[in-house]
Amino acid sequence: ETGVTQSPTHLIKTRGQQVTLRCSSQSGHNTVSWYQQALGQGPQFIFQYYREEENGRGNFPPRFSGLQFPNYSSELNVNALELDDSALYLCASSLLSLSDRVSEYFGPGTRLLVL
Amino acid sequence: AQKITQTQPGMFVQEKEAVTLDCTYDTSDQSYGLFWYKQPSSGEMIFLIYQGSYDEQNATEGRYSLNFQKARKSANLVISASQLGDSAMYFCAMREGNTGGFKTIFGAGTRLFVKA
Repeated sequence: ETGVTQSPTHLIKTRGQQVTLRCSSQSGHNTVSWYQQALGQGPQFIFQYYREEENGRGNFPPRFSGLQFPNYSSELNVNALELDDSALYLCASSLLSLSDRVSEYFGPGTRLLVL
Repeated sequence: AQKITQTQPGMFVQEKEAVTLDCTYDTSDQSYGLFWYKQPSSGEMIFLIYQGSYDEQNATEGRYSLNFQKARKSANLVISASQLGDSAMYFCAMREGNTGGFKTIFGAGTRLFVKA
C-alpha cells in the first residue's frame, strides 16, 4: 500500500465526452505526476504539479489539463475524448526536496475505455 | 529518440534461479536517477530499487540489485532466488530534472515469467 488512491477504478466514456480522474496523494507529499499507460506499453508522462502549479509537461495536447488542490489531491481532466485515450491513467505522488533521491509512489490507476 | 531501452519483451526463469533484466538509457544530464518498477496484473506500479547517477556503489534492496555501468549507460536489474510471485511486468525508468521539476521516462517493459 502506497497511500495513494485514485478514483474511479474503471470508467467507460464515448468519443467527444469529457472525463475527470481523481488522485489523493500520500500524506505530506507536495508533488503529483500523471501518466498514461496504453495497453502493452510503458507509462508516458503527462504532467506534474507542485504546490498547485504545473511544473512540467510531456507531449500531450492542451485538452489534457490538471489541477492540484491545497490538500495536494489532484485531478486530471481530458476534454474531447478520442479512442486513443483509452488507457490506464496512473498518478504518482512524491515529496520534492533538495535531495536527489525523489521516489514516486503510484496509485492503483484508473482504467479508461473510450468507445 | 528512445531514452530508455529494454530489449527483452519477455523472459523466463526457473524458480529459485537468478535473472537479469536489461536496461540501457540515454541522457546528456549529469544528474539523473534510475528506477526499476514491478507492475503486476493489477496495474499498480511497485517501486523496487533506485540508483543515483553519482552513486558509486550498485544499489541493492533485498533480492534486487542494480548493475549500474555508467560509461555503458546501462542499469540492469538482477533478481536473485526468483519466486513465483515475481512473475510480472518490469519497467526501467529514468528521472530527469531537479527540484525545479522532473519527469520520469519509462521503457517499454519486460514481462517476466517464473516457472515452478
